[in-house]
Amino acid sequence: KAGVTQTPRYLIKTRGQQVTLSCSPISGHRSVSWYQQTPGQGLQFLFEYFSETQRNKGNFPGRFSGRQFSNSRSEMNVSTLELGDSALYLCASSSAGALQETQYFGPGTRLLVL
Amino acid sequence: DQQVKQNSPSLSVQEGRISILNCDYTNSMFDYFLWYKKYPAEGPTFLISISSIKDKNEDGRFTVFLNKSAKHLSLHIVPSQPGDSAVYFCAARSPLNNDMRFGAGTRLTVKP
Repeated sequence: KAGVTQTPRYLIKTRGQQVTLSCSPISGHRSVSWYQQTPGQGLQFLFEYFSETQRNKGNFPGRFSGRQFSNSRSEMNVSTLELGDSALYLCASSSAGALQETQYFGPGTRLLVL
Repeated sequence: DQQVKQNSPSLSVQEGRISILNCDYTNSMFDYFLWYKKYPAEGPTFLISISSIKDKNEDGRFTVFLNKSAKHLSLHIVPSQPGDSAVYFCAARSPLNNDMRFGAGTRLTVKP
């Protein structure tokens, strides 16, 4: 099976712009979660989508949003970018998002906000 | 709020010796714990997990120990190999909202 893929791998934006990141889960996986990784904060949970519905949400402002399509592909959008949004954004997929399931991570999208 | 903490940002061990990576958590609702390994420019890969009903889980060279009363878990790698050099994240999941919290990571360097 192909792994989790994320596009683009690298992105440079300026403050105030918006950005959309894409994640394609492993075939058959219906749960997609998004994480932000920064040097100071480590990995932080953004939100989880399952069957096109946001099922769980972390403590991020409303500028961070996402959606999931019927083929389980997911997009994450960040509006009004701030310098502090510079980070590695990871998505992870699992079959159903159950507690004991392993999440499989993509390589991430590295976002730099200037 | 750092509900999962890895207080050692780095660890260096000699090849063949034991590596012990530590992780502490504050939320007693967590009942499933995982360790991930991350190489540069790659996403984290799952390594080993443990449910709170257990205190030990072993998989080859990797063993995870859980001390619920101390809210502490550790990952033991025996024997350590140079290929184990990576950043290791511990993570905890809450059954309430499926939220997963990660530690900041510990960079392990195994010297030949």
